[in-house]
Amino acid sequence: EIVLTQSPGTLSLSPGERATLSCRASQSVSSSYLAWYQQKPGQAPRLLIYGASSRATGIPDRFSGSGSGTDFTLTISRLEPEDFAVYYCQQYGSSPLWTFGQGTKLEIK
Amino acid sequence: QLQLQESGPGLVKPSETLSLTCTVSGGSISSSSYYWGWIRQPPGKGLEWIGSIYYSGSTYYNPSLKSRVTISVDTSKNQFSLKLSSVTAADTAVYYCARHVTTVTNQGDYYYYMDVWGKGTTVTVSS
Repeated sequence: EIVLTQSPGTLSLSPGERATLSCRASQSVSSSYLAWYQQKPGQAPRLLIYGASSRATGIPDRFSGSGSGTDFTLTISRLEPEDFAVYYCQQYGSSPLWTFGQGTKLEIK
Repeated sequence: QLQLQESGPGLVKPSETLSLTCTVSGGSISSSSYYWGWIRQPPGKGLEWIGSIYYSGSTYYNPSLKSRVTISVDTSKNQFSLKLSSVTAADTAVYYCARHVTTVTNQGDYYYYMDVWGKGTTVTVSS
């Protein structure tokens, strides 16, 4: 089983700052199988990035993804008030077929 | 615009079977590019994939739940369903249904992700 470990657990930043969120896999993951989601309180997760670096439809270009192998990063270039949420990485391909990281909470400083 | 909507009882007694249905609107469940699946989120915790189904009926389950899970599809109603047997308080969660994209590019690269989610339904296991 591939375990995804996200860091930090909580990230406290101010609007306008740059956020860097990490997702580390216990084994190599194909880049095209790695996705990122945003979840706000009381809402379903929302797809942000797929294939490690491709933005989903309607996602602002301040969101970007990068990485390969076991290390992946979600970057938000300039935080907007609506970006404060929980972020999850997800991989496909190892039993169980789909696994999620434990999440990073991005909170307003 | 594709929409998914979960439905089912919000309260289930311990040892009984949890049953939920996801209704797909604005598109066909019988598309070859998609699987359809269930994900849950216990209160204050992260996301756990439960299982997925193809319109043909092929299923994949999380090994940790496999002995208790059945996912089925009804293409005539554009719905798929989840049954989770012998529930305990640990099964209390928000249950989401979601569309799983499985796509291949012209270059032969495969992509997998979940692009459309239902709003979720809260299921509490309690007597």
